[in-house]
Amino acid sequence: NAGVTQTPKFRILKIGQSMTLQCTQDMNHNYMYWYRQDPGMGLRLIHYSVGAGITDKGEVPNGYNVSRSTTEDFPLRLELAAPSQTSVYFCASSYNRDRGDTEAFFGQGTRLTVV
Amino acid sequence: AQKVTQAQTEISVVEKEDVTLDCVYETRDTTYYLFWYKQPPSGELVFLIRRNSFDEQNEISGRYSWNFQKSTSSFNFTITASQVVDSAVYFCALGRRPNTGNQFYFGTGTSLTVIP
Repeated sequence: NAGVTQTPKFRILKIGQSMTLQCTQDMNHNYMYWYRQDPGMGLRLIHYSVGAGITDKGEVPNGYNVSRSTTEDFPLRLELAAPSQTSVYFCASSYNRDRGDTEAFFGQGTRLTVV
Repeated sequence: AQKVTQAQTEISVVEKEDVTLDCVYETRDTTYYLFWYKQPPSGELVFLIRRNSFDEQNEISGRYSWNFQKSTSSFNFTITASQVVDSAVYFCALGRRPNTGNQFYFGTGTSLTVIP
């Protein structure tokens, strides 16, 4: 199983550019998440989705957009990149139902630098 | 509100020493889950353990052990006879039951360095 796959692994953006971080999972998980990791701040939730067609904001949503058109895919869109968005981004998924749930499975991360 | 506190930002130990990583959580949920993840220098997040709120049994897996105490809202992680390969950032996380919105709340992590 591939699990959670993120692309790209590294990216350098110029201020004001836009990009999409791709995330796909093949575990049929209903929940998906985007986190950013910055030194000393742990993992902060950007957006999450409880299922196809449903998304919600996390702790730090400003400057980011998401969509969930399918169960498998949960892309993160950065519009007008800013230096404050320099970070490591993790996509994750989990299976959460009333009679069963799992831990969060993480992708390998995307290291984004905005210059 | 849900919150996870890992008060130890950085810990250094000499190889073969035992080390305990502290995790304190806050929640009003009666059903919840607790997790530990390891992030080695390569950067990926590796799942270590999950515990349900109704199961306070301690768990041991090789050199790793976990102590869950609801009375003190703690879920501490002990590494016995530490090794250099244990050097990593360790995250504790709180998970909520389904249909309550966001499912996971992470602590800020403890960076463990094991000195050979």
